[in-house]
This record gives sequence, structure tokens and C-alpha cells, in this order.
Amino acid sequence: DQQVKQNSPSLSVQEGRISILNCDYTNSMFDYFLWYKKYPAEGPTFLISISSIKDKNEDGRFTVFLNKSAKHLSLHIVPSQPGDSAVYFCAARISGTYKYIFGTGTRLKVLA
Amino acid sequence: SAVISQKPSRDICQRGTSLTIQCQVDSQVTMMFWYRQQPGQSLTLIATANQGSEATYESGFVIDKFPISRPNLTFSTLTVSNMSPEDSSIYLCSVTQTSGSYNEQFFGPGTRLTVL
Repeated sequence: DQQVKQNSPSLSVQEGRISILNCDYTNSMFDYFLWYKKYPAEGPTFLISISSIKDKNEDGRFTVFLNKSAKHLSLHIVPSQPGDSAVYFCAARISGTYKYIFGTGTRLKVLA
Repeated sequence: SAVISQKPSRDICQRGTSLTIQCQVDSQVTMMFWYRQQPGQSLTLIATANQGSEATYESGFVIDKFPISRPNLTFSTLTVSNMSPEDSSIYLCSVTQTSGSYNEQFFGPGTRLTVL
């Protein structure tokens, strides 16, 4: 049972346009969500987070939106840059624990 | 954020042997974790490395197969024992750090293990 799902395994976007990466979850006990970026041969790098009491968090070119009623999370990158090309993972924390459940990742390719 | 290093970065091992992976953090951290990422899969938590006591393992992972040590607040090891090709994965060490009222999780560069 995959509690955190990233249904798009890959996404291609033109440089300068918006990239939207999506994540759906099933467990209402998740209270904190994170997005990670992973380059080949490197560990995941923390990007941005959002708590379940918010619906939006912004950090520079990155914005995360949370729709609790739909159990849906999205990461917007604007403008997209070729250096953003990587695999993006969303992760959700089980309330009251340090345990995170990860999605399967979406490979983003930003075309120059 | 904490700087996390892992050794080795990659290895190719024979079936039936064991490999110990080291994780070093540049600051004292309370929580350290070991994850596995099998090819094409998401990151799966193996265990929480507890300082001074036995690790806490997730469902499907056992101490005999993945013994873990945590002698202090900056260092941990994960051993993959009696390896088989199914153990071929990236193994990642991670730590949590408090940011405001939340704990964010940071990862090491990973150890890419191939078992022949």
C-alpha cells in the first residue's frame, strides 16, 4: 500500500516555464511534508517543506501548495532552469513520529 | 544543515559476504536513520539508529540482516550481512535537525551497493 504517490514518473518542461510536480497521499495522520531533489550519485537534498496547518509555503523559485481536503501536494518551480533537472521526491511525516514516507519520485527534465 | 558523509561511496560485493557502511555527521544529532533505495523505488526506512541502545527496525527489516551501531551522537554504521543480489541498492544515512517547531531530515550522499 503506497501511502504517498507521485503518479508522474517523468516531466519535461521548457526553460523559463513553470514546472508543477504533484504528490498524493492517503494517510490523514501526516502532519508535515517535504520535497527533496536528487541528482544521480548524490543523496536527496532538502528543498522546501510545509506543515499541515498551512496551505502554501514559498522559498524563492519554489512554492509548495497543500490541499488537505484532496490530500494533494504540489511543488511549483518558476522559472524552471536546466539545473533543476533531477528526480524530485515528496515525503510525508507521520504525526508524532520522526518517520517519513517517501513517494517514488518524478524525474524532471528542463529543456534549454 | 548538518554535513553528512558516507563510506564507501560505492562497492561491488560477492554473494554471501557482508559490507559495513559508515556514516559521519559534522555535528551532534539526536536522530540518525538508515534508508534503502532499490532501483526504481522510493526511499524505504530500514531502522532508527539509537545512541547507546539497540536500533529500532521497521517492518521487514531485522537486526541479523542489518546490524547497526551508534557509538556516539555523530557516527553510525550499517552492515548488510550475507548479501544477495536483492540487496543491491543505494543505502542512505540521514539525520534530523530542528527548524522552528519541526524536524527536517537531511541525507548523506549514499552508498551504491551492487551484489553479484
